[in-house]
Amino acid sequence: GQNIDQPTEMTATEGAIVQINCTYQTSGFNGLFWYQQHAGEAPTFLSYNVLDGLEEKGRFSSFLSRSKGYSYLLLKELQMKDSASYLCAVTDSNYQLIWGAGTKLIIKP
Amino acid sequence: EAEVAQSPRYKITEKSQAVAFWCDPISGHATLYWYRQILGQGPELLVQFQDESVVDDSQLPKDRFSAERLKGVDSTLKIQPAELGDSAMYLCASSPSADAYNEQFFGPGTRLTVL
Repeated sequence: GQNIDQPTEMTATEGAIVQINCTYQTSGFNGLFWYQQHAGEAPTFLSYNVLDGLEEKGRFSSFLSRSKGYSYLLLKELQMKDSASYLCAVTDSNYQLIWGAGTKLIIKP
Repeated sequence: EAEVAQSPRYKITEKSQAVAFWCDPISGHATLYWYRQILGQGPELLVQFQDESVVDDSQLPKDRFSAERLKGVDSTLKIQPAELGDSAMYLCASSPSADAYNEQFFGPGTRLTVL
């Protein structure tokens, strides 16, 4: 079966750094997405990785290791507005997007 | 900035009633997705359109759900009859094509409550 694992919930402090991990087991791999979803709102795109390595975009970075079936999203200089759920999703060999359940990130002052 | 439009934003209905949701994707986006999302879970794909054709409806409960995209532009998702377990957020998303690297752009969603 296809499976994506993420921690259910994480807590971090404003101004700090947090790393959200995602491991996946899918039928093939055609890329990994990270989306941000604030409570009651729709997901919004954060990043896409298809090659191994780190992609940096402002305060957010995403890392991929295809051999390990592993990715992480790194958030720096945390702000209160970063409180949201972060969804990991993998495109499989059939070009279907397989979604994780999301990690709820709570930022404390 | 172009956005995906959905209506209504909220819908409360009684079980056994019919409900319909509408989605207007970003202009020029050939691929349209309907998802269901239960609180605390990731989105679950219900149906995927490429232009007016259904590409994947394997997870759509076809005894009660139907979806159409007649002219390859806007789309309607219908539930008849609604059941208590259908209470969820229904999300519509679009992308330029079904290529793996294309991000999906989501609409604001329709929050359905079945009483």
